[in-house]
Amino acid sequence: AQSVTQLDSQVPVFEEAPVELRCNYSSSVSVYLFWYVQYPNQGLQLLLKYLSGSTLVKSINGFEAEFNKSQTSFHLRKPSVHISDTAEYFCAVRGNTGGFKTIFGAGTRLFVKA
Amino acid sequence: SAVISQKPSRDICQRGTSLTIQCQVDSQVTMMFWYRQQPGQSLTLIATANQGSEATYESGFVIDKFPISRPNLTFSTLTVSNMSPEDSSIYLCSVSAGQANTEAFFGQGTRLTVV
Repeated sequence: AQSVTQLDSQVPVFEEAPVELRCNYSSSVSVYLFWYVQYPNQGLQLLLKYLSGSTLVKSINGFEAEFNKSQTSFHLRKPSVHISDTAEYFCAVRGNTGGFKTIFGAGTRLFVKA
Repeated sequence: SAVISQKPSRDICQRGTSLTIQCQVDSQVTMMFWYRQQPGQSLTLIATANQGSEATYESGFVIDKFPISRPNLTFSTLTVSNMSPEDSSIYLCSVSAGQANTEAFFGQGTRLTVV
């Protein structure tokens, strides 16, 4: 079975500042890792994913995450945030064998202030 | 990728009644998943629905409360039975698709309010 821990429930940050949203996972098998974003009153959108290969993955809007197997982490970073990045961010994990179900963390609310 | 349509998008229901949520996918998929997102919280998996077999429920969820149908590879329904205000949530349908079925795609969700 897999589990996900997002260490911060809320992260307030000023516009143009860097941000890191932390995510740790637990699994007895190899995993695929995901970050999803949910803007206010909208559905879930995939932000980025790690399946295999390069441990650093990037999104089209400037976010990146690094898979660290030894620390079982998949932290999300952005060097300079915008007001429009204000949203709920969910880290998720799926084992690469078996039932294909995706398990989500509790979420981190990123609040970007002007 | 996969495009998922859910109906209804929202509903307000009386306690003690039941609501059936429909999920239609634009391609054939092996597994479909139903999640619940309670206000201000994360997504919790209710069950996995495979075509041709009974759904597999997660701990804390039972078939009598959340019966699921999966008549074919593109469609599923979730019924929320004998509703109470505690069932007020967003219910989301999801499928695994993309590269090696590694990615979860979601419908827009059904926002249910029980009064």
